[in-house]
Amino acid sequence: RKEVEQDPGPFNVPEGATVAFNCTYSNSASQSFFWYRQDCRKEPKLLMSVYSSGNEDGRFTAQLNRASQYISLLIRDSKLSDSATYLCLMDSNYQLIWGAGTKLIIKP
Amino acid sequence: EAGVAQSPRYKIIEKRQSVAFWCNPISGHATLYWYQQILGQGPKLLIQFQNNGVVDDSQLPKDRFSAERLKGVDSTLKIQPAKLEDSAVYLCASSLEAGVVSEQYFGPGTRLTVT
Repeated sequence: RKEVEQDPGPFNVPEGATVAFNCTYSNSASQSFFWYRQDCRKEPKLLMSVYSSGNEDGRFTAQLNRASQYISLLIRDSKLSDSATYLCLMDSNYQLIWGAGTKLIIKP
Repeated sequence: EAGVAQSPRYKIIEKRQSVAFWCNPISGHATLYWYQQILGQGPKLLIQFQNNGVVDDSQLPKDRFSAERLKGVDSTLKIQPAKLEDSAVYLCASSLEAGVVSEQYFGPGTRLTVT
């Protein structure tokens, strides 16, 4: 089993819809979790950190489920500009491990 | 505030040749990362520096890859000799804090093609 797994998608979602995707991890000792966004042929940029209590930033909500070992990202009222690849990042055995990303396409 | 600078932006070389990439992190950032990102995959950490010391280089193919951050500021990553499978985008990132995992700021990357 991979240390970090994401559904590669693509998720094709109509504008205005709500979409959610997960990132599962195998190392229960992981402590730090992040969601990054990467546009096509661009560098990754931090979207949000994921805290134990969950966190929300506008239309975006991130949650951590330690029991089932996954983090989630929920996007409400999706915009065309949300189209991108969403990467999860976490620490595992003192190493930084990235997921392969989930591609999201928002359609008008 | 200036971002992370990388050069060159693109490089095409033949296999068995050598290549070097340069990165200048955001001023004051203690931690510097070099990543390799192959198309369709997430970034793979090659090496992490904290100031001028190496924190993690467990995934660096040391028979052909080397990196240094001599004065704790800018850094170079070298590949010698290159293989076809080294074709990828090489991303440099920096973060402010040392010792904790915090927000990373990425440079635009160097797209390497090995023919």
